[in-house]
Amino acid sequence: QAQLVQSGVEVKKPGASVQVSCKASGYIFTDYYIHWVRQAPGQGLEWMGLINPNSGITNSAPRFQGRVTMTRDTSTSTVSMELKSLGFEDTAVYYCARETIVGAESGFDYWGQGTLVTVSS
Amino acid sequence: DIQMTQSPSSLSASVGDRVTITCQASRDISNYLNWYQQKPGEAPKLLIYDSSNLQLGVPTRFSGSGSGTQFTFTINSLQPEDIATYYCQQYDNFPRTFGPGTKVDIK
Repeated sequence: QAQLVQSGVEVKKPGASVQVSCKASGYIFTDYYIHWVRQAPGQGLEWMGLINPNSGITNSAPRFQGRVTMTRDTSTSTVSMELKSLGFEDTAVYYCARETIVGAESGFDYWGQGTLVTVSS
Repeated sequence: DIQMTQSPSSLSASVGDRVTITCQASRDISNYLNWYQQKPGEAPKLLIYDSSNLQLGVPTRFSGSGSGTQFTFTINSLQPEDIATYYCQQYDNFPRTFGPGTKVDIK
């Protein structure tokens, strides 16, 4: 059974950076993209970007470009997302989710449990 | 960016009712559309991929249709466990974008 397990709650001050990790298990790590999606309190879903764990190539939404970095460690099947220069508006639950690279089906079929990041002074 | 809109933003229906949600893309996305269900405090769950394909394990009362810019998501015979917010999401182009969501509850 595939599983994505994320790191724990974070509380950060404005201007700081946060790193959230996502450890994959139960499937071939390099066969699936890992996407990052966030959800501010009471709001909808916002796609931030993705990483191809096979190549390390990333693609991020324009509004996060220059502020988000996604990396992978194939030895531990872990993807990390770092968001810099945090503002209060970055308070959200951050999810990782996988999508097949090699299969025909699309969609984010497995999600992490979410990581709450709170930006507070 | 491709903008996704959904209607209605919320709805109340009775158990057993048929519920329909529409999703519109700002430009042609072929059938590159997915639907997700999110219950409070939980991660989203993929229900429908490629506009009309039911994800494995998802009850058959859920269905999707459409192509181009207009899409429809239907729950045949609403059940109490279907109380959730439903999101469409396009994957025709980057950045991937979600609709604003439709909150469904029981009347």
